[in-house]
Amino acid sequence: DTAVSQTPKYLVTQMGNDKSIKCEQNLGHDTMYWYKQDSKKFLKIMFSYNNKELIINETVPNRFSPKSPDKAHLNLHINSLELGDSAVYFCASSQEWSLAAATEQFFGPGTRLTVL
Amino acid sequence: GENVEQHPSTLSVQEGDSAVIKCTYSDSASNYFPWYKQELGKRPQLIIDIRSNVGEKKDQRIAVTLNKTAKHFSLHITETQPEDSAVYFCAASMYSGGGADGLTFGKGTHLIIQP
Repeated sequence: DTAVSQTPKYLVTQMGNDKSIKCEQNLGHDTMYWYKQDSKKFLKIMFSYNNKELIINETVPNRFSPKSPDKAHLNLHINSLELGDSAVYFCASSQEWSLAAATEQFFGPGTRLTVL
Repeated sequence: GENVEQHPSTLSVQEGDSAVIKCTYSDSASNYFPWYKQELGKRPQLIIDIRSNVGEKKDQRIAVTLNKTAKHFSLHITETQPEDSAVYFCAASMYSGGGADGLTFGKGTHLIIQP
């Protein structure tokens, strides 16, 4: 009964390739996110998405694009991979934000991407 | 945008002692402050959170305090145990109408519990 799952767990690829990471949540949440954790363990938001709005962190290169086939999935596509893209990528989800209160974000197990 | 500073980067305490981790944030519009624990090779997991309408919150050995005026918040762990060893992240967020900006994290504190 995994709440947020990601595949693959490990991804090793060559520079210049295009790859995707899949994320699924079975919590019925309305909002999903992608975070990048670099080698220094720094966690940074890349995207947040619900059925109304995609919010993109301005520092994210346009080689990265989120794709949501339905409310339970938010996949991450990366084109023309670079060495600096090597990191752990975490998907997360939460109930839709409102003016009333934010709710807990649940994280997936992470995908370790290594670009050679 | 929001900026969260976290100190110290590493904290070593004797088992049974208390540990305190401090964070400051820059945007007064932030109103949700969670703390996450991340063990080696694992996902971040929420351990406690606080909203801007509350000054303090406690859950067994863990407590969080928030000072909105000074824009800082702290995590307190009492009676530390070996299983408390991990990296702890503070975070802050705000609302943007109907959207979600995600969490802005501090750089993490590596907490080491010495037996």
